[in-house]
Amino acid sequence: DAKTTQPNSMESNEEEPVHLPCNHSTISGTDYIHWYRQLPSQGPEYVIHGLTSNVNNRMASLAIAEDRKSSTLILHRATLRDAAVYYCILRLGGTYKYIFGTGTRLKVLA
Amino acid sequence: DSGVTQTPKHLITATGQRVTLRCSPRSGDLSVYWYQQSLDQGLQFLIQYYNGEERAKGNILERFSAQQFPDLHSELNLSSLELGDSALYFCASGGGPLSDTQYFGPGTRLTVL
Repeated sequence: DAKTTQPNSMESNEEEPVHLPCNHSTISGTDYIHWYRQLPSQGPEYVIHGLTSNVNNRMASLAIAEDRKSSTLILHRATLRDAAVYYCILRLGGTYKYIFGTGTRLKVLA
Repeated sequence: DSGVTQTPKHLITATGQRVTLRCSPRSGDLSVYWYQQSLDQGLQFLIQYYNGEERAKGNILERFSAQQFPDLHSELNLSSLELGDSALYFCASGGGPLSDTQYFGPGTRLTVL
């Protein structure tokens, strides 16, 4: 079964880059990798997604390993507002089924 | 504010009862997704509708059902409720068939006593 594995928690200093890893060794060729984050007491919020190539947007960058068995979400300069649970998710290819990981709780230190 | 609305915000009910959760998608969005978030299971995808038709099914129990109406709002019906159904239920909406971004509502917190 498709699955993602993430560290339970990470800490970062404010204004420093953060690299959030995700392992998805059972990924298949057509599964998309998504990242969402959930701020306290809110619904999840879209961050970024990709298939094979690295992706950049105004929020973050997504680096996907060549074998696609892992990926890394990069926040270039963490701010206190980035403190959230970050979910690495697989959207199963050819379907609209989403498999959520358990999430990484990111703490940003001032 | 994502533009997705969910009602009610909180719901407290007893075991064995039936409840209906309602979701209004963002204006123009055709897809509605339902998720369950509990402490022990995390976030789980339940079901997706696109323009009134069921498109994908996840870990949705047989006691649960959903539908999307012609005005694109959606309802999630939970019946024969058990203590373990207590959770946050999120609705998300998205755009066309090639759009992969979901916008989540604030959730409905269901407590089964």
